[in-house]
Amino acid sequence: GAGVSQSPRYKVAKRGQDVALRCDPISGHVSLFWYQQALGQGPEFLTYFQNEAQLDKSGLPSDRFFAERPEGSVSTLKIQRTQQEDSAVYLCASSLEAAASTDTQYFGPGTRLTVL
Amino acid sequence: GENVEQHPSTLSVQEGDSAVIKCTYSDSASNYFPWYKQELGKRPQLIIDIRSNVGEKKDQRIAVTLNKTAKHFSLHITETQPEDSAVYFCAASRGAGNMLTFGGGTRLMVKP
Repeated sequence: GAGVSQSPRYKVAKRGQDVALRCDPISGHVSLFWYQQALGQGPEFLTYFQNEAQLDKSGLPSDRFFAERPEGSVSTLKIQRTQQEDSAVYLCASSLEAAASTDTQYFGPGTRLTVL
Repeated sequence: GENVEQHPSTLSVQEGDSAVIKCTYSDSASNYFPWYKQELGKRPQLIIDIRSNVGEKKDQRIAVTLNKTAKHFSLHITETQPEDSAVYFCAASRGAGNMLTFGGGTRLMVKP
């Protein structure tokens, strides 16, 4: 079946612009995570949704970052007034159910954001 | 919070040799330990995972071991092939509904 998809795959923004990154999880997956991956490093957690509820946003680096999942399916990560340090790959992951043994996280291909 | 350390950061082996990557974690409540393979410009792909109720798991040429007392887990790849060349990440989690905390990654190069 279809995996996690993300769009756009690449985004170039001028410093100060707002951007919106989209994630389409695997159909029926309850949990959705956003991660930020800097060049040459492991992904770092940003935020977590269970259905439409944002249960953990402790990883969001500043109040310029905002995420939503209004209908419990597609999610959008919005970054306002982008800065050069926001340049990274933004990965989305989904998992089937918030219960043991069904918590494997499947990743999307990521959106590579470059802020000039 | 959880801290995951991964070693080595780069590993070069001859085709057919074995490769071992080691990770340590700090949160004793972590109970789920996946390993992901990431090729350049591609998504992380799960290759194997282990939960804290088992000590070892094997899938063909890949095996993972877990020592909960020492808080470390390792990935073993036998009979390496050039297509195994990639960056490998270990991760730790408290399980369903919890974030993955990743190690820094190991760049594995398999020389033909």
